[in-house]
Amino acid sequence: AQSVAQPEDQVNVAEGNPLTVKCTYSVSGNPYLFWYVQYPNRGLQFLLKYITGDNLVKGSYGFEAEFNKSQTSFHLKKPSALVSDSALYFCAVRALNTGGFKTIFGAGTRLFVKA
Amino acid sequence: KAGVTQTPRYLIKTRGQQVTLSCSPISGHRSVSWYQQTPGQGLQFLFEYFSETQRNKGNFPGRFSGRQFSNSRSEMNVSTLELGDSALYLCASSSETSGSYYEQYFGPGTRLTVT
Repeated sequence: AQSVAQPEDQVNVAEGNPLTVKCTYSVSGNPYLFWYVQYPNRGLQFLLKYITGDNLVKGSYGFEAEFNKSQTSFHLKKPSALVSDSALYFCAVRALNTGGFKTIFGAGTRLFVKA
Repeated sequence: KAGVTQTPRYLIKTRGQQVTLSCSPISGHRSVSWYQQTPGQGLQFLFEYFSETQRNKGNFPGRFSGRQFSNSRSEMNVSTLELGDSALYLCASSSETSGSYYEQYFGPGTRLTVT
């Protein structure tokens, strides 16, 4: 079965410190991986994606993610967290199933950045 | 370009009623997907439309249906509402013409409350 796991419900980090939000996936075939962020009472916003090529991808707001094929992981990172980064983060994979391609989302990780 | 718009933003219905939600994708986007977001179940895929055809669907009962019009606008309908249908319904559009690696752009959602 194809799935995405975000093992941490919540991540707490101090402003200025690096942050990591973890994501692992299980799909057949090549994975197309995405990160989205959701601010309160808003829809999801696209942050970045990995399709192919360089394992380190850069996205919006200074975020980056590292694709690791052997560990089937796609962790989101940022060198220096801001209070404004506090939000709900979703990892997603675009995978082929019997009906065609479908986006599967992880359960989400809530990031709290403390001043 | 204007973003994805969803109407209405908030809706209160009673059990047994039906509801229709509307989504206007970003201009030029032909793929529209619908998701249900609840605190307990996270983001659940409902269905995806591309060029007026349902391309894929999630594991929801037949009370949930949708359609897409020639201008790519989409509607979803829920009949015989149940308390458990209370959720944030998100619409997302994508510019993909084929393939599966395009990111999705989300609307702000329709908050449905069933009493």
